[in-house]
Amino acid sequence: GEDVEQSLFLSVREGDSSVINCTYTDSSSTYLYWYKQEPGAGLQLLTYIFSNMDMKQDQRLTVLLNKKDKHLSLRIADTQTGDSAIYFCADQYNAGNMLTFGGGTRLMVKP
Amino acid sequence: DAGVTQSPTHLIKTRGQQVTLRCSPKSGHDTVSWYQQALGQGPQFIFQYYEEEERQRGNFPDRFSGHQFPNYSSELNVNALLLGDSALYLCASSTQTGREGYGYTFGSGTRLTVV
Repeated sequence: GEDVEQSLFLSVREGDSSVINCTYTDSSSTYLYWYKQEPGAGLQLLTYIFSNMDMKQDQRLTVLLNKKDKHLSLRIADTQTGDSAIYFCADQYNAGNMLTFGGGTRLMVKP
Repeated sequence: DAGVTQSPTHLIKTRGQQVTLRCSPKSGHDTVSWYQQALGQGPQFIFQYYEEEERQRGNFPDRFSGHQFPNYSSELNVNALLLGDSALYLCASSTQTGREGYGYTFGSGTRLTVV
């Protein structure tokens, strides 16, 4: 079946850049998403990218997509302690279809 | 504008019991999906409701069932609860066409503990 994989943990210093990586197996994925989950909370949509794009920038967030390698990354510039959370990537075949999530990457930002 | 509302926030049930979780979607959304998130894992898709019908279903047993009402709100029912059903249950709303924005809007979830 379809699979989405993420590394488990990332630790950075405040002010540094963070890069969270994700790989997926479904070449038919049309939309790819990044969600953030803080302790005890639901999922907050951070950004998304269409499969026909290579890059998308949204303030401190940069998403890179390598469709050939089925690799997605999220770069957070000037990482702050408030960015500490679990980050999930997810893919979707078509608008309205189910999302398939990775296992999440826990980002720890040290002061 | 209220986002996705779920109730209750926490619930403790005994093995073998039945539970009903409730969800009100974001205004303008017509599709409701349910996800199960076990501790330390990513959300797993249970099923999706649109036009009061189950449109897609993940790899979950028939003990998991749902319903969507004419006002788009939804319920998730789980029968014969097992210890392994303990998880955060997330409701997400969306539109079929993406005209209200892409991706899902998630609620804060219902934490179910089965003892």
